[in-house]
Amino acid sequence: DQQVKQNSPSLSVQEGRISILNCDYTNSMFDYFLWYKKYPAEGPTFLISISSIKDKNEDGRFTVFLNKSAKHLSLHIVPSQPGDSAVYFCAASRASYDKVIFGPGTSLSVIP
Amino acid sequence: EAGVAQSPRYKIIEKRQSVAFWCNPISGHATLYWYQQILGQGPKLLIQFQNNGVVDDSQLPKDRFSAERLKGVDSTLKIQPAKLEDSAVYLCASRKMGNEQFFGPGTRLTVL
Repeated sequence: DQQVKQNSPSLSVQEGRISILNCDYTNSMFDYFLWYKKYPAEGPTFLISISSIKDKNEDGRFTVFLNKSAKHLSLHIVPSQPGDSAVYFCAASRASYDKVIFGPGTSLSVIP
Repeated sequence: EAGVAQSPRYKIIEKRQSVAFWCNPISGHATLYWYQQILGQGPKLLIQFQNNGVVDDSQLPKDRFSAERLKGVDSTLKIQPAKLEDSAVYLCASRKMGNEQFFGPGTRLTVL
């Protein structure tokens, strides 16, 4: 049973436009959400996180939005750059110290 | 600061053979994780150590997988005997505080 879902396996966006990556979760006990970015032949790297007490967190070009009632979060990248081309994993945990459950990932391609 | 080191980077074995992976976490990181990432899926936690004690090994197939973290630093993950479905990337991650995990580059295992 997949507790964290990323229903779009891939996404293509023109350079300079907005990239929106979506994530849904089923476990209402999840309290902390993260996004990781992964380049080929490398391990995932932490990008941004959000606690359930917030509905938005921003870090430079990256913003994560959380809609708890819909059990949905999204990652916005503005403006998108070719270097953003990677696989993005949505992840969730019941607390900041608890084990993290990863979604299957969305492969983002930013076209110059 | 040096990142999480893993070796080997690639391994090809025949089914029923044994294999071992090594991980050296970031210095001072008390928590260490082993993940299995099958192609097209997100990382799945196999085992979590806190120093040299096991915190969570609920998803470790204990009939064939074993892991240890002697002296609370380096860790090894062993598969004996390997099956075809064990073909995956094995990721090691470590964490000092908060929920940000730092991942190593992974070991890509192919079982023929």
